[in-house]
Parts: sequence; C-alpha cells; structure tokens
Amino acid sequence: ETGVTQSPTHLIKTRGQQVTLRCSSQSGHNTVSWYQQALGQGPQFIFQYYREEENGRGNFPPRFSGLQFPNYSSELNVNALELDDSALYLCASSASERVYNEQFFGPGTRLTVL
Amino acid sequence: KQEVTQIPAALSVPEGENLVLNCSFTDSAIYNLQWFRQDPGKGLTSLLLIQSSQREQTSGRLNASLDKSSGRSTLYIAASQPGDSATYLCAARENTGFQKLVFGTGTRLLVSP
Repeated sequence: ETGVTQSPTHLIKTRGQQVTLRCSSQSGHNTVSWYQQALGQGPQFIFQYYREEENGRGNFPPRFSGLQFPNYSSELNVNALELDDSALYLCASSASERVYNEQFFGPGTRLTVL
Repeated sequence: KQEVTQIPAALSVPEGENLVLNCSFTDSAIYNLQWFRQDPGKGLTSLLLIQSSQREQTSGRLNASLDKSSGRSTLYIAASQPGDSATYLCAARENTGFQKLVFGTGTRLLVSP
C-alpha cells in the first residue's frame, strides 16, 4: 500500500507569485485534506476534498484554492503569495467509508516566500 | 470553536523513564482524537486514534486515554528511548460533516541516553 506523497519537497517563491502544491493520496482513500503548519505551531486546516468537491473549509482567504482529480490526487493553489504564507503544507488522506476515518499525512512541502 | 492545548510544551527526560503527555480540548463533542508524532521538518506519523466511544487505545509502549466529559486525553509512553525524541501532537476531530482536525501546538520531547 503506497503512502501519501507530496511534491515538491521544498519551494522558494517571491511575494505576489502563485504556487501549486501536489498530493497523491494513499491507495483506496477518497478524501484529501490540506493543512498549513507555521514554525512552532500545530497544523491549521485549510480545506478538504471529497470526490472532487470541496466539502469543508477553514479560516483561509479565497486565494487558497484546490482541486481533486478522479484518481483522488489533489492540488493546493495559492495566489498572490504573502510572507506569512511561508510554512510547511501538509496533505492528509482518508477513506470516508471506513468507520475510523484515520487520516494519514504526507511528508509535506516546505514553502518559503521571500 | 474547538481549541486544543498541550502541556507541557517541552519535556526532557533520561532514557528508561515513563512519561505522560497531556492534551485538553474545549468542546467535548468530538468524533475522535488522534495522536501524532512529528520529527523535525517532517510530516506527521499517526500513533493512535481513539473514537469518541472508546476510553483508551494501546500500541506497543504507547497508551492513549480519552475522557470526553473532562475534555482531556493523555499519551503514556513507557520505558522511553532516545528514538522517541520528537514533537507529539494531539488532534481532535470535530463532529461535523467533514473530517477537520484541530491540533494542539505539540509537546517537544527529548530523551537523553
């Protein structure tokens, strides 16, 4: 069973640019969630996708958007990057039909905005 | 609004010691509670998940308990080892239609040989 993978590992952008982060969910999982983790903090929920539809969103502005594809992989897009967007971005997948809905996380993408 | 707090923020112990990490949450209407381990700069590794109807879960040297009425969970690590050094995060899943986890800020554990 392949785990959750994310790409790229690291990324450096400048303020105002746009970025796309990618996530491949674990085999058999149909739900993907994205989290932002600032240095020294716990992860913060950005949004969740289930069967290609956004079905939940945290307190993040609309410049954070996403997609989920038929194979359940996902993208996180951030427009008009700000310095405070520098963080570790984590993707988690789970199987909604299973009782426990345990979430499994990928290794993350470290985004630095200069 | 659910808030999760972890105490202590950091902990340093000698190898072999048993230890307890604490997690508290403000809204007892949770779906489940999950404990994670995070190594520096890395992703999260799921350690234990406790459903809201359960009182505890065990895996090897780890034991997690859940008391919904008091809004508390504890992670017990027996016979700590240097390889246990990491940040431990607890996360409460809200009882909503989607699987939002609310995380604490973590306990940074250092186990010295």
